[in-house]
Amino acid sequence: QVQLQQSGPGLVKPSQTLSLTCAISGDSVSSNSVVWNWFRQSPSSGLEWLGRTYYRSKWYNDYALSVKSRITVKADTSKNQFSLHLSSVTPEDTAVYYCARAAGATLFDLWGQGTLVAVSS
Amino acid sequence: EIVMTQSPATLSVSPGDRATLSCRASQSLTINLAWYQQKPGQAPRLLIFGASTRATGIPARFSGSGSGTEFTLTISSLQSEDFATYYCQQYNNWPYTFGQGTKLEI
Repeated sequence: QVQLQQSGPGLVKPSQTLSLTCAISGDSVSSNSVVWNWFRQSPSSGLEWLGRTYYRSKWYNDYALSVKSRITVKADTSKNQFSLHLSSVTPEDTAVYYCARAAGATLFDLWGQGTLVAVSS
Repeated sequence: EIVMTQSPATLSVSPGDRATLSCRASQSLTINLAWYQQKPGQAPRLLIFGASTRATGIPARFSGSGSGTEFTLTISSLQSEDFATYYCQQYNNWPYTFGQGTKLEI
């Protein structure tokens, strides 16, 4: 059974970096047929895709324009996980963050449990 | 970027009712459209892809239809566990985008 398990702090101070990890069981972060994604969801912004990483003979990354200057998504093959780093956070980055697998790169068929991250001093 | 518009924002229904949710795309998707269900405190769950194909384990009371720019999700006889928010997502053009959701409430 494939599962995604998220971890990371629920509170981050303004101007600091938000970091979350998504541990994969039952699949491989290096799989050639899937893409690993980060989303966030807030009442004001709805469901927002943030970024993705995937392996196709080499590693690729794509990021949403809204956060492109602040985001890094990285895979860790030794731990079979991937991570989200969002720098210079403000209270507007307060949201529930989700990791998700995209089967065939298009359909988000598996999601993590979600992590509520509040940005506050 | 393709804009997805869902209507209505909220739909008040009763158990046993038939619910019809709409999703409109700003440009043609052919049938590259998916529907997701999200319950409070949970992650979204894939229901339908290819506009009309149910994902694994999804009950037959959920059906999708449409092509091009107009799509519909129908729940034939609402069960208590179906009260949730439903999102459409296009995967015809990158970046893939979601609608703002339709909330089914009693």
